[in-house]
Amino acid sequence: GENVEQHPSTLSVQEGDSAVIKCTYSDSASNYFPWYKQELGKRPQLIIDIRSNVGEKKDQRIAVTLNKTAKHFSLHITETQPEDSAVYFCAAPTGGGNKLTFGTGTQLKVEL
Amino acid sequence: NAGVTQTPKFRVLKTGQSMTLLCAQDMNHEYMYWYRQDPGMGLRLIHYSVGEGTTAKGEVPDGYNVSRLKKQNFLLGLESAAPSQTSVYFCASSPGQVYGYTFGSGTRLTVV
Repeated sequence: GENVEQHPSTLSVQEGDSAVIKCTYSDSASNYFPWYKQELGKRPQLIIDIRSNVGEKKDQRIAVTLNKTAKHFSLHITETQPEDSAVYFCAAPTGGGNKLTFGTGTQLKVEL
Repeated sequence: NAGVTQTPKFRVLKTGQSMTLLCAQDMNHEYMYWYRQDPGMGLRLIHYSVGEGTTAKGEVPDGYNVSRLKKQNFLLGLESAAPSQTSVYFCASSPGQVYGYTFGSGTRLTVV
């Protein structure tokens, strides 16, 4: 099955700096890579996703890049703000694409 | 639209008791999932369903059963609760493969 590794487990940045979270996956057939944000006590929410036919996707201050050769994808947050503080999860499909395997999460803290 | 609704939101069980967690979605999604979330371990898949009347095991199925008698509902049962099942349980739904999940608000279960 799919193995998804996520790094770092914790990340602290100053407000206005950029943050980068990286994930690697094992199944070369994987073709869909979502990122979720989970605020304390809340449900995970999809913030951006990328499909394997593109290398980069941007949505305002967040972007995701995909390197299929190296089997890794990254979340980039620019001009971080305190409300970006949360746990971020990456995921990749497994089981023929019927389900997602999640990384173990990155606790992002944006300090004033 | 309510999205994905989970009931109950909180529950305390004694070891050996049974209970059923209900997940309902009003988005006509084919796929539904049950995950558990434990500190430092991310989201782990318990069981999932790719359509009405179907179920399949995930990563950590032992001690749980599920049913999908109606397309909009996905039930998770604990027949004999154990302290190791203390966790936050999230239900999610998806239109199909290569689509992101919509999560419910979670059920915090404590087994004493």
